[in-house]
Formats: sequence, structure tokens, C-alpha cells
Amino acid sequence: DAKTTQPPSMDCAEGRAANLPCNHSTISGNEYVYWYRQIHSQGPQYIIHGLKNNETNEMASLIITEDRKSSTLILPHATLRDTAVYYCIVRVANFGNEKLTFGTGTRLTIIP
Amino acid sequence: DSGVTQTPKHLITATGQRVTLRCSPRSGDLSVYWYQQSLDQGLQFLIQYYNGEERAKGNILERFSAQQFPDLHSELNLSSLELGDSALYFCASRPPGWANTEAFFGQGTRLTVV
Repeated sequence: DAKTTQPPSMDCAEGRAANLPCNHSTISGNEYVYWYRQIHSQGPQYIIHGLKNNETNEMASLIITEDRKSSTLILPHATLRDTAVYYCIVRVANFGNEKLTFGTGTRLTIIP
Repeated sequence: DSGVTQTPKHLITATGQRVTLRCSPRSGDLSVYWYQQSLDQGLQFLIQYYNGEERAKGNILERFSAQQFPDLHSELNLSSLELGDSALYFCASRPPGWANTEAFFGQGTRLTVV
């Protein structure tokens, strides 16, 4: 699985959009980009994933650059409950290779 | 609530002992994954089972073993425990049929070895 690079920490004001970048310059054509978050010491929570098109769900938007070497997770209206460590993961989506390889992630702090 | 249940939530035991951690996946999910999260190592993949069979192995120590039972619940057995085994242990499950679906994580078991 391709490695990812994320800033170790970020702050965002409550109510503003939080934009979390991820660099995955060695991503292969068949690798998806996944985002998970971990609030305090709870189990990681799935947020969103995509292959090459931008994706949006009720939690967030995922913007993937055209060359797929980087992506941005957008939390449109951050709340205090969004304070967490956010992990960007890339992996091949095929049977028999489904494990998630977590990096160090970005610690996002939402400031009141 | 992810639908994945892990028991116990907390466990304190002495070095050299053996413990068993239990995971009940979401209804219908065939895949179960185990992860270890210690302070200095982050989230590390240990092992995956699919419908009772081992599917993938990560950085799992020989002192650790796991299995998945016919009812699809899984157990992670940790033996000859050392202080360094103190960590959060997470279980996750995924639905069958699609390779790019998300994994759902339980709330973890916090193991403290004293």
C-alpha cells in the first residue's frame, strides 16, 4: 500500500470548514483513498473514501487531485465533536488485501 | 454505535499471564480484523479472519493467536504477557461481497499488564 504524508496537527475555528490535506504521491491506479478518524481513544470511525472522483457524504467531502497524488478531506462546518486524529489511508481494494495501514494522522483541534 | 462489540472493555493482569479478548462482528459481516494501538506504535494491524479462515497476518507476535468461530465471533489470545503488551486492542468487521467497503471498529479493550 502507498504511504501517505499528513501534517501532524491542525487547528480550526468552530463553524468554519476544516481542510485536512494528505499527500500520496506514490499511489497506484487501483488504490483507493480512505479517511478515518479516532476521537480520543475510541475505535476509529470511517468517514469517506474515493478512487478518483470527488466524493461527498453526510459527514465530509473528499477532493482528489486529477493526478491523484494528493487529496483533501473537508469538514464543512466543524464542531467541537470533530476534534480527533484523522487518518488518510490508501489501499488496493481487492479481496485478500483488505487491511488498513494507519499512519500517524493529523490531530485536528476545533477551537471554540 | 458501530455494531461491533468487544469484551471486556478493560483488563488488568500480571506479567506472564494469558488473556482472551472477544469480538462480536456486525450481523452479517464475515471479515474480522484485529489491531493493536500502543502509545509508541500507533494502530498496528495484527490479523484478519474471513468466515473462519485466516486471511492476512500483520505484525502479530508468536505469543498471540486468534481464531474465528462458526458463529463468526473472534477471540484474540495473548499469552506470556509482557509490560509492553499494554495497549488498546481493537476489532473491526467488514461486510462481505465488496472489497472497497468500510470497516467498522469496536470500542476496544484496554489491556494493562502490571
